[in-house]
Amino acid sequence: QQPVQSPQAVILREGEDAVINCSSSKALYSVHWYRQKHGEAPVFLMILLKGGEQKGHEKISASFNEKKQQSSLYLTASQLSYSGTYFCGTDENTNAGKSTFGDGTTLTVKP
Amino acid sequence: DARVTQTPRHKVTEMGQEVTMRCQPILGHNTVFWYRQTMMQGLELLAYFRNRAPLDDSGMPKDRFSAEMPDATLATLKIQPSEPRDSAVYFCASARGRTEAFFGQGTRLTVV
Repeated sequence: QQPVQSPQAVILREGEDAVINCSSSKALYSVHWYRQKHGEAPVFLMILLKGGEQKGHEKISASFNEKKQQSSLYLTASQLSYSGTYFCGTDENTNAGKSTFGDGTTLTVKP
Repeated sequence: DARVTQTPRHKVTEMGQEVTMRCQPILGHNTVFWYRQTMMQGLELLAYFRNRAPLDDSGMPKDRFSAEMPDATLATLKIQPSEPRDSAVYFCASARGRTEAFFGQGTRLTVV
């Protein structure tokens, strides 16, 4: 079951904040976040394994609400280098490591 | 610098021809995924393996696609016969168990 991401696209000015959401209809073992730049492979940002636990990467952090099967990615004080497409990947409790991805959120940071 | 290696990086082939894509996972990683990415479909999971055993290939058209892991250092994805609608970027990713996955650079396939 593919997770649902929102919004589909975000346009920011440098220094602004953004939140990207990911939700699943299935009970989750973990949520992964990746960023992909045009013409390149997705790059791992972070993984969240426990409900409610926040993990950070530079000025990017994320939360995982295990009960609601939702995760959010927080980008604060965005930089031009944050531009790209962000994907959440979910690993369901019952599927032993089967990672499926949402459709992605395209983030554009302008000067 | 450990990374997933995919070959070829680019492939142009005629409809009906066989295509084989190869992936060398990161040493020590026991989980391998094959994904297909198109503008319309995003990142689709085609198949994945754990300790070389196929766990799920429900995302793959069975009549023309096949995925195998002949050994721990090689995963293959084969399309026979290829069709224009198979044109996409095919990514291989590997992981240690149920942890984060690391992606290869992809094979860009064009079927004419």
